Amino acid sequence: DAKTTQPTSMDCAEGRAANLPCNHSTISGNEYVYWYRQIHSQGPQYIIHGLKNNETNEMASLIITEDRKSSTLILPHATLRDTAVYYCIVTSRGSTLGRLYFGRGTQLTVWP
Amino acid sequence: DGGITQSPKYLFRKEGQNVTLSCEQNLNHDAMYWYRQDPGQGLRLIYYSQIVNDFQKGDIAEGYSVSREKKESFPLTVTSAQKNPTAFYLCASSRGDRGTNEQFFGPGTRLTVL
Repeated sequence: DAKTTQPTSMDCAEGRAANLPCNHSTISGNEYVYWYRQIHSQGPQYIIHGLKNNETNEMASLIITEDRKSSTLILPHATLRDTAVYYCIVTSRGSTLGRLYFGRGTQLTVWP
Repeated sequence: DGGITQSPKYLFRKEGQNVTLSCEQNLNHDAMYWYRQDPGQGLRLIYYSQIVNDFQKGDIAEGYSVSREKKESFPLTVTSAQKNPTAFYLCASSRGDRGTNEQFFGPGTRLTVL
């Protein structure tokens, strides 16, 4: 079962920051927050993950609230190629399988 | 280039026929997964394998079968027992150790049963 809540859709102007929220109020202490995205008709792509500290990589930044009940994925300068469905996933890192439960995610549309 | 390949990209079959979807990876990953995606929905886990010659049912295994005879390969057979086989099928792999949940996905196979 998905343990996260995300808005169904969002849009963003090209060049602006896209901030995608995710609620995970039942997250437990050993669970990580993972973000993936899926461009239409392709396989999902890993973006970033975090436990409690903010994280940044070449694709995005992940901001996790102090109580860890919500997080925000930030794409600092969105481009048209960032149009995709974004999945926020909570999972125990290194669990027996590393199972990922993909909900419906947020459809981000970047417009020119 | 390392990665995961799935073939074919599009597949059409008649109702009642078994069909096997191919998944190959050259990432030296131990774990492999099969997911199904229906329009507008998230991914649902069909089968997974943590090591060669071992695999486990996921959430929707009925009507599907898999094998894992080689580390690089994890083919999925959609049998005639699967009531609603038309879907987008995604294969993934990961290191499978306790340090990561990062899964790498193939491009998918879109199966249409007529």
